[in-house]
Amino acid sequence: RKEVEQDPGPFNVPEGATVAFNCTYSNSASQSFFWYRQDCRKEPKLLMSVYSSGNEDGRFTAQLNRASQYISLLIRDSKLSDSATYLCVVNGGKLIFGQGTELSVKP
Amino acid sequence: NAGVTQTPKFQVLKTGQSMTLQCAQDMNHNSMYWYRQDPGMGLRLIYYSASEGTTDKGEVPNGYNVSRLNKREFSLRLESAAPSQTSVYFCASSERDRAGNQPQHFGDGTRLSIL
Repeated sequence: RKEVEQDPGPFNVPEGATVAFNCTYSNSASQSFFWYRQDCRKEPKLLMSVYSSGNEDGRFTAQLNRASQYISLLIRDSKLSDSATYLCVVNGGKLIFGQGTELSVKP
Repeated sequence: NAGVTQTPKFQVLKTGQSMTLQCAQDMNHNSMYWYRQDPGMGLRLIYYSASEGTTDKGEVPNGYNVSRLNKREFSLRLESAAPSQTSVYFCASSERDRAGNQPQHFGDGTRLSIL
């Protein structure tokens, strides 16, 4: 089992749609969690940290379920500019990156 | 505000050649990292430096060496390049925030091809 697993996608959605990504992790001792965004051939950029109580930043909502060892990212009212690969990152003493989930938002 | 700067951005090498990838950060971060990213593999940690003067192996250190020259700079060296080292290399730095997290900030990447 991979330490961090994501559905690779691609997710093809129309503008305005709501889309959700899930990520599972194997290390139950993991302490911090992040979602990064990576545009084609560019560097990963921090989208948001994920807190135990869940957190929201505009159209983006992140949630953590420690019991089931997964985190999620919800994007509401998708924009064309949201098209990118979304990386789940888990810190269990070292940072482990998921392979990423590709999102394509179409007009 | 430069953040993390990597040089060069592109490089083509022949098998057996050596080269050093440079990385510098201006955010006064203690920790720095080198990753490689290959299609379908995600980011894999090569080496990291938790603080000035220390370096540790990551997931895929073979064929690489690093130097933490000072707090700002962390270089990655390929002593004898192999085609399997063709990849995109990212440098990152981080510092623990108020929440206790340590989010990483990445450079633009170095696209390295070895023929």
